[in-house]
Amino acid sequence: DIQMTQSPSSLSASVGDRVTITCRASQSITTYLNWYQQKPGKAPKLLIYAASTLQNEVPSRFSGSGSGTDFTLTISSLQPEDFATYYCQQSYGTPFTFGQGTKVEIK
Amino acid sequence: EVQLLESGGGLVQPGGSLRLSCAASGFSLSSYAMNWVRQAPGKGLEWVSFISGGGGTTFYADSLRGRFTISRDDSKNTLFLQMNSLRAEDTAVYYCAKHNVAYYGSGSYVDWWGQGTLVTVSS
Repeated sequence: DIQMTQSPSSLSASVGDRVTITCRASQSITTYLNWYQQKPGKAPKLLIYAASTLQNEVPSRFSGSGSGTDFTLTISSLQPEDFATYYCQQSYGTPFTFGQGTKVEIK
Repeated sequence: EVQLLESGGGLVQPGGSLRLSCAASGFSLSSYAMNWVRQAPGKGLEWVSFISGGGGTTFYADSLRGRFTISRDDSKNTLFLQMNSLRAEDTAVYYCAKHNVAYYGSGSYVDWWGQGTLVTVSS
């Protein structure tokens, strides 16, 4: 199975900060990497697919990059509604494994 | 608008069975592959199972194979997950999740999630 490791597990940031979350795969997954946002008590929401393609209606302050084994999710200017947990997931092959999540909290 | 509504969760004793359903609307279920993903209380997301459009291809998490069965009835726009021999570690919110295409392929992905149904396995 492909293991996905996110870092950090949590972070504290202020509104307006630039935030970067890293996701590493245990083997190359080319660009088959997706990012999801989950708010407490809510279903996850797709933010980015294929490592860098923004899902429809997702704000442009979100961006993704990377290929092979190393990927990043960047929020250019953190907004109050962005405080949530973020998960990466590989869709290179089954099982479609997720990272353990990164919780973004208010500083 | 795409809507996925899960049902069938509840409290079940260890060793028991439960059948989850997911009613789909706002799109043609037959045109898309579907997934089940679960989340234990306070934990991260765990992919459970995949079924292709038409149902010809299925995949399961290795830890679940043989106990869980995914199926679909496209005529009723409904996805199912039959769960047998349930264990305490199966306690989780189970999400129905739509794939972006009908088939399994590298690079395909989940693009829509239901709100989930809670399964609690306890005596």
